[in-house]
Amino acid sequence: QQQVKQSPQSLIVQKGGISIINCAYENTAFDYFPWYQQFPGKGPALLIAIRPDVSEKKEGRFTISFNKSAKQFSLHIMDSQPGDSATYFCAASNSGGSNYKLTFGKGTLLTVNP
Amino acid sequence: KAGVTQTPRYLIKTRGQQVTLSCSPISGHRSVSWYQQTPGQGLQFLFEYFSETQRNKGNFPGRFSGRQFSNSRSEMNVSTLELGDSALYLCASTWSSGTGGGNTEAFFGQGTRLTVV
Repeated sequence: QQQVKQSPQSLIVQKGGISIINCAYENTAFDYFPWYQQFPGKGPALLIAIRPDVSEKKEGRFTISFNKSAKQFSLHIMDSQPGDSATYFCAASNSGGSNYKLTFGKGTLLTVNP
Repeated sequence: KAGVTQTPRYLIKTRGQQVTLSCSPISGHRSVSWYQQTPGQGLQFLFEYFSETQRNKGNFPGRFSGRQFSNSRSEMNVSTLELGDSALYLCASTWSSGTGGGNTEAFFGQGTRLTVV
């Protein structure tokens, strides 16, 4: 059972454009939603994260939008740059659990053309 | 401070063999979790250890096992390797209290690329 669904699988954007990646989750116990960025040959690195008590969080060019009733959240990358070309993963976890486990979406390969 | 260190970076093993991967977490982090990353299945949770105890286990066969030492370093072992075990194995360390802490940042190592031939 895939608990976090991510789309699209791949995305091509022109430099300066907006990249939008969407995720949907099923488990209502999830209450922590991070986004990870992964470059080839590297491990995932945390980009930005949100908790469901806010509907939006912005850090620089990266914004998470969160819709609790729809159980959806999305990542927006403004003014996309070639250096943003990477694979992006959304994830979810239950912070109230007695252990630490991230459930990941399957990833989006973002290519930003110069 | 030093990040998460995984060794070795690359491994080639033959089907039927066993393999042990190592992970040294960030100093002060007591929670270590392991993930398998493949092109088809993405990142899948294997197990998580805290203070030498396995707290959670993913949906993987018993051939996959792990342990954690008193210094928080962790190892995972895969026995009777199959071709389908070829993957990038990632270790993540987290500052976690004895309870909860699931909303803190997980820091990932660069992974061990395992190829089974």
